[in-house]
Amino acid sequence: KAGVTQTPRYLIKTRGQQVTLSCSPISGHRSVSWYQQTPGQGLQFLFEYFSETQRNKGNFPGRFSGRQFSNSRSEMNVSTLELGDSALYLCASGRQGSVQYFGPGTRLLVL
Amino acid sequence: QQQVKQSPQSLIVQKGGISIINCAYENTAFDYFPWYQQFPGKGPALLIAIRPDVSEKKEGRFTISFNKSAKQFSLHIMDSQPGDSATYFCAASLNAGGTSYGKLTFGQGTILTVHP
Repeated sequence: KAGVTQTPRYLIKTRGQQVTLSCSPISGHRSVSWYQQTPGQGLQFLFEYFSETQRNKGNFPGRFSGRQFSNSRSEMNVSTLELGDSALYLCASGRQGSVQYFGPGTRLLVL
Repeated sequence: QQQVKQSPQSLIVQKGGISIINCAYENTAFDYFPWYQQFPGKGPALLIAIRPDVSEKKEGRFTISFNKSAKQFSLHIMDSQPGDSATYFCAASLNAGGTSYGKLTFGQGTILTVHP
C-alpha cells in the first residue's frame, strides 16, 4: 500500500508570496493532519481534517489555512509568507480512531 | 496543560547498550502515547505506542514504560545499534469522541547517536 505522498518536496518562495502544499493520504484514510517542523519550535500541530471538515486547529495565524477534498486529499495554504514560515511541513493520515502515518514532508524556504 | 516535555535533548550510547528517553505530560485527558523515529530528510515513522491502561509494551528491542500516576512514559531501546541513530519524538493525543488521534502534541525530540 502506498504511503502518504506530499508535493512538492521542496519549495523556495519570497516574502509576501503565498504557497499551496498538497497531501495525498494512504488509501482508505479519511483523517489528514498537518504539522510544521522547525529546529526551534519542533513539531507543531496546524490542523486536522476529517471527511472534508476541519476538526481541530492549532495555534497558528489565519494566514495558514487548509482544506480537504471528497477523495480525502488535502491542501494547505500559507498567504503573505514570512521568513519565519521556513520549515518542513508534514502531512499525516489515519483511519478514524487510529494512528497517524506521516509523509516525507515539503521543505519550504522563504527568502 | 498541553505540553509534553522530553529529555534528554541528545544521547550518545555505545553499540549494544540501552538507550532511555523520558517524557512527561500534564494533560490527564491524554489517552494515547506514540513514539516516532525520524531520520534526516524523512518524515517521522511510528515506532511503538501505548494507551494508559497498560504499564508496559514491548515490540522487539523497543519497550515503552508508562507511569500514569507520575504522568511519565519512557522509551527503552535494548541492544542499541548504529542504525538506530535518529531523532526520537514522544507524543500524546486524546481520542476525543472516539474519532481520531489526529492532533498530536510532540515532545522536543532526542537526537540519539549509537557509536559502533
